[in-house]
Amino acid sequence: EAQVTQNPRYLITVTGKKLTVTCSQNMNHEYMSWYRQDPGLGLRQIYYSMNVEVTDKGDVPEGYKVSRKEKRNFPLILESPSPNQTSLYFCASSLGHRDTQYFGPGTRLTVL
Amino acid sequence: GESVGLHLPTLSVQEGDNSIINCAYSNSASDYFIWYKQESGKGPQFIIDIRSNMDKRQGQRVTVLLNKTVKHLSLQIAATQPGDSAVYFCAEFSGSARQLTFGSGTQLTVLP
Repeated sequence: EAQVTQNPRYLITVTGKKLTVTCSQNMNHEYMSWYRQDPGLGLRQIYYSMNVEVTDKGDVPEGYKVSRKEKRNFPLILESPSPNQTSLYFCASSLGHRDTQYFGPGTRLTVL
Repeated sequence: GESVGLHLPTLSVQEGDNSIINCAYSNSASDYFIWYKQESGKGPQFIIDIRSNMDKRQGQRVTVLLNKTVKHLSLQIAATQPGDSAVYFCAEFSGSARQLTFGSGTQLTVLP
């Protein structure tokens, strides 16, 4: 089944404790992206990747890192999480950057 | 900066009636628009898209209308069903951009 998977689905952590949210797609898509979703603000893009080893900042990149060492994986890294990063995070992928994006199920992160 | 927004944050319709969800965009360079549906606890799901060289596109029970003159987009759902209850997002893509910009969403509630 073609899909985007994210792990973990739920995470509660404390300020400053490094964490990684994994994202994987099995559709051989070149474009991958991370979004955060907050009430009243819709989906805001954190980082995106046009292809392997190519990543760019989105609208809200501060406090996040990403890597794209393989085509299928695009992990989101929070080196020192803070409470304002408490949010619902979505990974998405598409064939190209102007193609339909397919979203993962989401990761709900709480930073205490 | 440029923004994509929605006229109404909530919409309630009777089961069987038609629903119309509106979206205003401000970037006149946007040339590709997408509607997503997000059910509770899930990631956004593609519904239908339209490019700027069209003013109407139909899918199964859904129609998207694009009015470039007033920079307005709408999603029409025919014979609305309980399963249509969700948050609906419009998103835009401008020619030079490498990312989608999402609106804040409209909550559609289908009443029995």
